[in-house]
Amino acid sequence: EADIYQTPRYLVIGTGKKITLECSQTMGHDKMYWYQQDPGMELHLIHYSYGVNSTEKGDLSSESTVSRIRTEHFPLTLESARPSHTSQYLCASARSGVYNEQFFGPGTRLTVL
Amino acid sequence: GDSVTQMEGPVTLSEEAFLTINCTYTATGYPSLFWYVQYPGEGLQLLLKATKADDKGSNKGFEATYRKETTSFHLEKGSVQVSDSAVYFCALILLNFGNEKLTFGTGTRLTIIP
Repeated sequence: EADIYQTPRYLVIGTGKKITLECSQTMGHDKMYWYQQDPGMELHLIHYSYGVNSTEKGDLSSESTVSRIRTEHFPLTLESARPSHTSQYLCASARSGVYNEQFFGPGTRLTVL
Repeated sequence: GDSVTQMEGPVTLSEEAFLTINCTYTATGYPSLFWYVQYPGEGLQLLLKATKADDKGSNKGFEATYRKETTSFHLEKGSVQVSDSAVYFCALILLNFGNEKLTFGTGTRLTIIP
């Protein structure tokens, strides 16, 4: 059973607000990822980290930022939310090593009005 | 670049029908292959995996065989249930140190009707 948590599960906010989506894992995984999932279901990698103080941009350009100050915590921040940021955001983590099996959190569904 | 092509959905089947969801890939090396499943309102869960040619991954009655000659990893189940209704994602990863990212297909929505 994977132990990766995301809060909030659902968020509805107004344009221009600053928001932080939380992601935590208790498995001691070095690698963590953020994906954006559009209504057509396709997943886009927007950020990843291979360990503390390591962050990289993913394949899809995003206005969000991330930080990795602790191994277990990988928050994603939007400084000024816009309707175009409305989406499902999925966090994942993985051990370093052979298979890189990723464990996913339940997701945060964000709606920006 | 690396890519995964999945059978387009949605797929609707009757309970106890045979299921196949096609998946083919393009990769520059020798990837590991995965099927993930996403139930309504949840994140993705690993369903099965295969790490080398001719490996068969299996779980919960689902199977997929890594076919290097046809670059395929088709998902099959002999008798589906209503509880199998979900979105299924095929994915690959190349084990290059420092560049280990999953590449996902676009997902196939499966609906099983009683």
